[in-house]
Amino acid sequence: DAKTTQPNSMESNEEEPVHLPCNHSTISGTDYIHWYRQLPSQGPEYVIHGLTSNVNNRMASLAIAEDRKSSTLILHRATLRDAAVYYCILRDKEGGTSYGKLTFGQGTILTVHP
Amino acid sequence: EPEVTQTPSHQVTQMGQEVILRCVPISNHLYFYWYRQILGQKVEFLVSFYNNEISEKSEIFDDQFSVERPDGSNFTLKIRSTKLEDSAMYFCASSEWTGDRYEQYFGPGTRLTVT
Repeated sequence: DAKTTQPNSMESNEEEPVHLPCNHSTISGTDYIHWYRQLPSQGPEYVIHGLTSNVNNRMASLAIAEDRKSSTLILHRATLRDAAVYYCILRDKEGGTSYGKLTFGQGTILTVHP
Repeated sequence: EPEVTQTPSHQVTQMGQEVILRCVPISNHLYFYWYRQILGQKVEFLVSFYNNEISEKSEIFDDQFSVERPDGSNFTLKIRSTKLEDSAMYFCASSEWTGDRYEQYFGPGTRLTVT
């Protein structure tokens, strides 16, 4: 399985941008980069995903390095509700077939200060 | 907005008892999953299910576990004889399709406590 590396924790102030990094140096050419988050006492929640180009949606932006060995999830204005564990995940493939299994790491615990 | 629902929110059972955890996936989704999260640990994949068959399962998903889609809306996880180490949050998820481009939608989870 392609692995990702994330900082254990990060802190931010409310209303400020947050850049959450992820390293995935062993990514294969067809692996998508997915981000999920888990708010306290809730199930994981999809945030965004991308392959090569930068992506934006209503929740966040995803910046993908040109060599695809790293990516950054950007929360443009952090709110207290964004305090969560953020997971960077590469979709698993086995024998070229992906059944959708998500492999979660420890993720980054984001603390947002008022 | 459609959402995945799970019942019960909390289940307490004695060791050796059978439990059934229930999930209602999003109605037009075709792929269903179970994950679990032991307190303080990572979210772990258990099983994926499509077209009334298991597509993939992890090492955790041994003979004590089974999944079923008994009707057009419910998706269940059964643990035949619970052990203390089965205590965890169990999350159901569904996706419209499989593959790298499709996101999974998770339910709020069932907290299983085995005493």
